Amino acid sequence: DAGVTQSPTHLIKTRGQQVTLRCSPKSGHDTVSWYQQALGQGPQFIFQYYEEEERQRGNFPDRFSGHQFPNYSSELNVNALLLGDSALYLCASSGYYNSPLHFGNGTRLTVT
Amino acid sequence: GEDVEQSLFLSVREGDSSVINCTYTDSSSTYLYWYKQEPGAGLQLLTYIFSNMDMKQDQRLTVLLNKKDKHLSLRIADTQTGDSAIYFCAESRNTGGFKTIFGAGTRLFVKA
Repeated sequence: DAGVTQSPTHLIKTRGQQVTLRCSPKSGHDTVSWYQQALGQGPQFIFQYYEEEERQRGNFPDRFSGHQFPNYSSELNVNALLLGDSALYLCASSGYYNSPLHFGNGTRLTVT
Repeated sequence: GEDVEQSLFLSVREGDSSVINCTYTDSSSTYLYWYKQEPGAGLQLLTYIFSNMDMKQDQRLTVLLNKKDKHLSLRIADTQTGDSAIYFCAESRNTGGFKTIFGAGTRLFVKA
């Protein structure tokens, strides 16, 4: 039973560039949430997707956008990268709207 | 994390019990979770408790919930060096949809 998978595992970008991160949810899960975890901090909620729509959003600027596909996989896009966007980006999936999150191992993004 | 608070560090000797504490603020939270994060990895769900329960035991793990004081604790019996990690407390908050909010994490050091 495949868990949550994320790609790539590591990424280095330059300020001002754009990045796309990808996530495949755990088998049987239809809801995907994205979190940003800066070094030494807890995960911060970015947004959640269900039925291909953004259902909830945290306090992140519009530079952060996402998409969910019919097979429930998801992408996180960040435009106009800033140094402060350097973090571990975690994808989590869940089976119904209020069930425990299952996390992938994350994508480590470094912005130089 | 927003309004989920934990102490930052805990150090125990191998074989002793560890108790990690957490306070949260949203009385409408339905589920409360404990996650574990090892270096370079995503978050692993350890256990969770529904808000109408006071206690849950799962092998070496005991979760206590005091809903009146909005206090959650995780006790790890017979702590082993493999338990060294960061432990995150999280609440499932109903904000017109459910999103999971995390604390900043407690780093547990286990001395042999």
